[in-house]
Amino acid sequence: DQQVKQNSPSLSVQEGRISILNCDYTNSMFDYFLWYKKYPAEGPTFLISISSIKDKNEDGRFTVFLNKSAKHLSLHIVPSQPGDSAVYFCAASPSYVTGANSKLTFGKGITLSVRP
Amino acid sequence: EAGVAQSPRYKIIEKRQSVAFWCNPISGHATLYWYQQILGQGPKLLIQFQNNGVVDDSQLPKDRFSAERLKGVDSTLKIQPAKLEDSAVYLCASSLGRVAEAFFGQGTRLTVV
Repeated sequence: DQQVKQNSPSLSVQEGRISILNCDYTNSMFDYFLWYKKYPAEGPTFLISISSIKDKNEDGRFTVFLNKSAKHLSLHIVPSQPGDSAVYFCAASPSYVTGANSKLTFGKGITLSVRP
Repeated sequence: EAGVAQSPRYKIIEKRQSVAFWCNPISGHATLYWYQQILGQGPKLLIQFQNNGVVDDSQLPKDRFSAERLKGVDSTLKIQPAKLEDSAVYLCASSLGRVAEAFFGQGTRLTVV
């Protein structure tokens, strides 16, 4: 049972254009959502997060949108740069604070390629 | 600031053998996680420690996997005996108190042949 779904395995965009990465979830208990970026042979690194009480969070070129009623979130990267080429994981947790109820559930990831 | 250290980086073993992975978290981080990432999948939590205690091990195959965290610092994850389906990258992460502050190590790539 996949609770966090990233249905598109890959995305290719031109440098300077917008990248939109989508993620859907099924568990209504999820309250906190995160995006991680992963380069080959490295561990995932935290990129941006959003709490369920918000519908948008912005950090520089990265914006995450949350639609709770649709159980959908998306990551927008504007403008896209070749260095953004990586695997992006969507993750969700029932809690913002680590503890017994804070397990992160990850999607399968999407490979973003930004063409120069 | 030193990151999460893991060793070895790569390991190849035959099925039914045993293997152990080591993780040294960021200094002062009370929470430590072990994740399994199978090729083409996202990381899956195996076990979560808070200091010395286990917070969540619901997805740890306890018949063959074991983990401990010595003195609330370093941790080892052991597989005995290994199966072919255990081939994966094993990621260790640590955090201070908030889920988003989990820092990951580079991982150990295990191949079981």
